[in-house]
Parts: sequence; C-alpha cells; structure tokens
Amino acid sequence: DTGVSQDPRHKITKRGQNVTFRCDPISEHNRLYWYRQTLGQGPEFLTYFQNEAQLEKSRLLSDRFSAERPKGSFSTLEIQRTEQGDSAMYLCASSPHVGVWQFFGPGTRLTVL
Amino acid sequence: DQQVKQNSPSLSVQEGRISILNCDYTNSMFDYFLWYKKYPAEGPTFLISISSIKDKNEDGRFTVFLNKSAKHLSLHIVPSQPGDSAVYFCAASPEDDKIIFGKGTRLHILP
Repeated sequence: DTGVSQDPRHKITKRGQNVTFRCDPISEHNRLYWYRQTLGQGPEFLTYFQNEAQLEKSRLLSDRFSAERPKGSFSTLEIQRTEQGDSAMYLCASSPHVGVWQFFGPGTRLTVL
Repeated sequence: DQQVKQNSPSLSVQEGRISILNCDYTNSMFDYFLWYKKYPAEGPTFLISISSIKDKNEDGRFTVFLNKSAKHLSLHIVPSQPGDSAVYFCAASPEDDKIIFGKGTRLHILP
C-alpha cells in the first residue's frame, strides 16, 4: 500500500492523559499536513511541514499540542493533558510539492472520556 | 468566521440525473478551489480543482464552475451513479498551499 498511513486508527483515553499519533506519508512527499475534523465540520488545518521544518501552526494548535517530523519522513502529533474537547478525527495528508493537491490518510479517531 | 460555506448539509438525487453541489466563499484572495470526496472510515480524496483564473474545469462526469463575482462555485456530476454517494467537501487554497474546507454536503444517490 503506497498511500498515507496513520496509527492508531482509534484511540480512547481518559481526560488528562497524553496521546501520540503517527503519520507515514507517501514516500518522497516532502510536505506533510495535520488536520482535525469534528462532527459536522470539515477538516481544519493544524500545522504543516516541509521536510523536517514546521512552517506554519494554526491558532487551533494550543500549547498542549506538539508535532514533529524529525527526519523529514514520518510525523508524530502529541496531545498532552487531553481534554474532552480534543475528541475528534485527526487527519494527516501529504503532497510532493506546492501545487499538487494533498493525499489524505484514513485518520485517527480520538475519544477522550 | 467561516471562509468556505456549504449551506446544504445533504442532497438526494435520482440515479442517472444531475447532482449539483454548491459552495460560497468569502475571501477573494483564494488561488484555487477544490472538491474532495469522503467515504465513511476513509480520509478525503481529491476529486477536481479549478484555478481562480478559470470559470470551468471538467473531468469526466465531474465539472466545477466558478463565478468569482458572486464568490460561488458548484460541482456538477452527470450522470449520478450509486458510487457517488458520499460526503463532498468544497475547499479553497490560498497561495501557501494549506486547504480550508467547508462543512461538507452528504450526497445520496437514490436507485
């Protein structure tokens, strides 16, 4: 499978716990994006990387959120001290360069109890 | 404030007829407009795009129309098929390449 993969697909956690999600982009795609989708809404941009550099962060990305892409390949998104409002689908997407539209992974569904 | 608006949460169309999905936007600086399609338990899939300098783009059964003066775009699917049943997201991209999505319209193709 050469598409964008995300792990885990589902995560249930208790409020206050930390969670980490992983995204593996399509090989050789140097741009990687994270989005969040809540019920009844479209995906909302969180942040993106070009290679290992994080180029932009949305104001939606509070201090409890951190994203990394240490070697310019896979990326991780960590949420510390989770809150019930963090419950959402977290989507990762990649593209080879500017102007080529993004390929999305299947998402990680987070439920915070 | 919502920059990309899809005011119809759902739409039902008879198989074989034309499906028309509508979208409005507020930011005249968008360079590209996109449509993504999403099935349950999958991520969104790119469908078709249009540059802000064009007013129409066609790809098989899918045509997107852009009316810049009205800040309106629409997606036409002709003829509609059962596999077209999905959620369709209208989206826009400013020059820095991130995508701003609408809330989506759920399309039901009726047999």
